[in-house]
Amino acid sequence: GAVVSQHPSRVICKSGTSVKIECRSLDFQATTMFWYRQFPKKSLMLMATSNEGSKATYEQGVEKDKFLINHASLTLSTLTVTSAHPEDSSFYICSARAITSGKGDTQYFGPGTRLTVL
Amino acid sequence: QKEVEQDPGPLSVPEGAIVSLNCTYSNSAFQYFMWYRQYSRKGPELLMYTYSSGNKEDGRFTAQVDKSSKYISLFIRDSQPSDSATYLCAMKDQGGSEKLVFGKGMKLTVNP
Repeated sequence: GAVVSQHPSRVICKSGTSVKIECRSLDFQATTMFWYRQFPKKSLMLMATSNEGSKATYEQGVEKDKFLINHASLTLSTLTVTSAHPEDSSFYICSARAITSGKGDTQYFGPGTRLTVL
Repeated sequence: QKEVEQDPGPLSVPEGAIVSLNCTYSNSAFQYFMWYRQYSRKGPELLMYTYSSGNKEDGRFTAQVDKSSKYISLFIRDSQPSDSATYLCAMKDQGGSEKLVFGKGMKLTVNP
């Protein structure tokens, strides 16, 4: 149980274009999802917390107009990187909050999306 | 001082070795402790989840929490090459915060 998927797994785009990444909880409903960014050989950096039906809460230093988050249903959250630039190239990972037997209330992660902006 | 400290390694061990991974933390409000395993270019996978102090065992993995010392450990017995990955500790408080605070991650290589 508690499986999270992400799509696409890899995307290459030109500078100035927008890219949408989807995060889905496959076998559970997630009122809360999270978006992280991970640089090579670094830990996870939380970008924002996404709650179903309400506006996302962004971490300090994360541009909300650049990283648009929508959590329209209990199983889907999307991250749109607008007007992408090469410095936005990174590994983006989503997670969904779930309460499971034996594992308590914690986060389950998707497989990640590798974004490369040319 | 960071909230969670984890030696990033790397750590290299022979197959069959017992591996000990550790994190220390400074926030005494942390009550929930987790270990995630992350393979290269993949998302983290939840390995162990512990509430408050004590031990928890799952197959070859044992998680220990010592709240008095603010120290948590993950032991891997009979380590296998398939255990080669980055291991991240994570924790959160009981105050309703949904956010996890992560360690930097320790890169482990188990050599056949």
